[in-house]
Amino acid sequence: KQEVTQIPAALSVPEGENLVLNCSFTDSAIYNLQWFRQDPGKGLTSLLLIQSSQREQTSGRLNASLDKSSGRSTLYIAASQPGDSATYLCAVLRSYNTDKLIFGTGTRLQVFP
Amino acid sequence: NAGVTQTPKFQVLKTGQSMTLQCAQDMNHNSMYWYRQDPGMGLRLIYYSASEGTTDKGEVPNGYNVSRLNKREFSLRLESAAPSQTSVYFCASSANGQLQVAFFGQGTRLTVV
Repeated sequence: KQEVTQIPAALSVPEGENLVLNCSFTDSAIYNLQWFRQDPGKGLTSLLLIQSSQREQTSGRLNASLDKSSGRSTLYIAASQPGDSATYLCAVLRSYNTDKLIFGTGTRLQVFP
Repeated sequence: NAGVTQTPKFQVLKTGQSMTLQCAQDMNHNSMYWYRQDPGMGLRLIYYSASEGTTDKGEVPNGYNVSRLNKREFSLRLESAAPSQTSVYFCASSANGQLQVAFFGQGTRLTVV
């Protein structure tokens, strides 16, 4: 059974810091991995999607990497801002045919001025 | 550009009552999902539908039923609500194919007393 873990559960940093969020999964047979952002009381917004054949994806100040063999992904946020404060979740898609996204429990990030 | 729309946003039920959560997407996506989100447990898949006319169980299907009414709509029904079903429910949809980015609704906060 695929299990997805995110560490740390919560993180508080001053504005301007570069930071790394971690996601690990137990079964390396994944189709893709997504990083989502969730604001309080809101739904999830997809930030980055990495195909299993890719090593990383970038969008603005965000960079996500994937090491499938070790079951790890990281989300790097450069020059953090208070507006980055949210919960970040990773999710793996086990295979194209099963269509099941398995989520981690998330990292709650607070960036203070 | 509505995306994924869920109704209602909030609901309080008494134990044993029934209700249906509605979800509609306007992106012509094949796949639709129902998740529940509980503190410390992340998002868990209840049911999903890979295409119109098909539904499959996720991780936590007990106590729920679903209907894929057409390509746009995917409803979740609680036949006899229990306090353990108090949660935030999210509907999501995605296109099939290599870039399976998932789009989420705003969530339904359900309390069963």
